[in-house]
Amino acid sequence: AQSVTQLDSQVPVFEEAPVELRCNYSSSVSVYLFWYVQYPNQGLQLLLKYLSGSTLVESINGFEAEFNKSQTSFHLRKPSVHISDTAEYFCAVIPSSGGYQKVTFGTGTKLQVIP
Amino acid sequence: SAVISQKPSRDICQRGTSLTIQCQVDSQVTMMFWYRQQPGQSLTLIATANQGSEATYESGFVIDKFPISRPNLTFSTLTVSNMSPEDSSIYLCSVEGRGTESYEQYFGPGTRLTVT
Repeated sequence: AQSVTQLDSQVPVFEEAPVELRCNYSSSVSVYLFWYVQYPNQGLQLLLKYLSGSTLVESINGFEAEFNKSQTSFHLRKPSVHISDTAEYFCAVIPSSGGYQKVTFGTGTKLQVIP
Repeated sequence: SAVISQKPSRDICQRGTSLTIQCQVDSQVTMMFWYRQQPGQSLTLIATANQGSEATYESGFVIDKFPISRPNLTFSTLTVSNMSPEDSSIYLCSVEGRGTESYEQYFGPGTRLTVT
């Protein structure tokens, strides 16, 4: 079984400041990792993912996350946040073995960007 | 990618009543998923709905409480039966990506349910 821990339920940060949202996971098998974002009154949408290859992955809107296997982490970072980044962010994992596998989500981190 | 719509977007219901949530996808998909999202908690998978077969429920969820229909490859419904205030939550429908988007989940906008 897998588990995902997002220790920070809320992260307030001033506009144009850097931010890091933490995600740690536990799994006895190899996993794929994801960050999803949920804007107010909307469903979740994929922000970025790590399947294989370079451990540093980037999104189109300036977020990046680095897969650290030894620390079982997949923290999300952005060097300068905007008001429009205010949303809830969910880390998720899925076993990388073939066939259908259930996704395990973290409890989410609410990012509040302060003007 | 997939575009998913849900109806209703929100509702306020009295305890003891039932609400049926509809989920429509813009392409044919084998599996559709129903999640519950409660404040401060992770998304919880309720069940997986396959067309032409009974839905598969996760531990803690039963068909009598959350009956699901899957009449075709683009549509599904979830009913929340005999509601209590503890059922107040956001209910999300999702599907998996295909091909290079495998393992990705696409979500509908959710149905925000309040039970009084």
